[in-house]
Amino acid sequence: GAVVSQHPSRVICKSGTSVKIECRSLDFQATTMFWYRQFPKQSLMLMATSNEGSKATYEQGVEKDKFLINHASLTLSTLTVTSAHPEDSSFYICSAAGATLYNEQFFGPGTRLTVL
Amino acid sequence: GDSVTQMEGPVTLSEEAFLTINCTYTATGYPSLFWYVQYPGEGLQLLLKATKADDKGSNKGFEATYRKETTSFHLEKGSVQVSDSAVYFCALSDRRTSGSRLTFGEGTQLTVNP
Repeated sequence: GAVVSQHPSRVICKSGTSVKIECRSLDFQATTMFWYRQFPKQSLMLMATSNEGSKATYEQGVEKDKFLINHASLTLSTLTVTSAHPEDSSFYICSAAGATLYNEQFFGPGTRLTVL
Repeated sequence: GDSVTQMEGPVTLSEEAFLTINCTYTATGYPSLFWYVQYPGEGLQLLLKATKADDKGSNKGFEATYRKETTSFHLEKGSVQVSDSAVYFCALSDRRTSGSRLTFGEGTQLTVNP
């Protein structure tokens, strides 16, 4: 149980286009979803936290108009990178947390975004 | 605020060697503690966890004990395998102060040679 999927696993796009990444909790209801960005050989950087049905809370320094997050249901959250540029190239990871007692997050496999 | 400090890597060991990766934390409340593992090109997998002082988390031969007196959660394995090569992240979460939010350490790259 507690499986989280991400789609696509890899995406290459041209500069100026928008890219949507989906994160799904397959066998549980995710009341909270998190989006992270990871640079090579570094730790995860939390970008935003989203609760189902409400606006996402962005971390300081993350542009909310650049990284649009939608959490429309208890099993799906999307991250849209708008007008992508090469500096947005990164590994994006989502995680989901349900109503568990011990704060456990379950992570997706990640999406490698390359902007040309 | 909460923070997690891991021993600097990378760590390189021979197969069957003993592994210790140190992790210490600072937290205002009573956090849960986690070790996650990340294999190349993949997301994070929960390796083990402990939710209160003196708890020992264990999985796949790895162990870590929640030590409140030393604010530590060191990861150990008695005999590593080549397949254990990965990046290991220590993390904490305090439900009362930050909900499900995780605070991660910097990660420690482990390479096990045959």
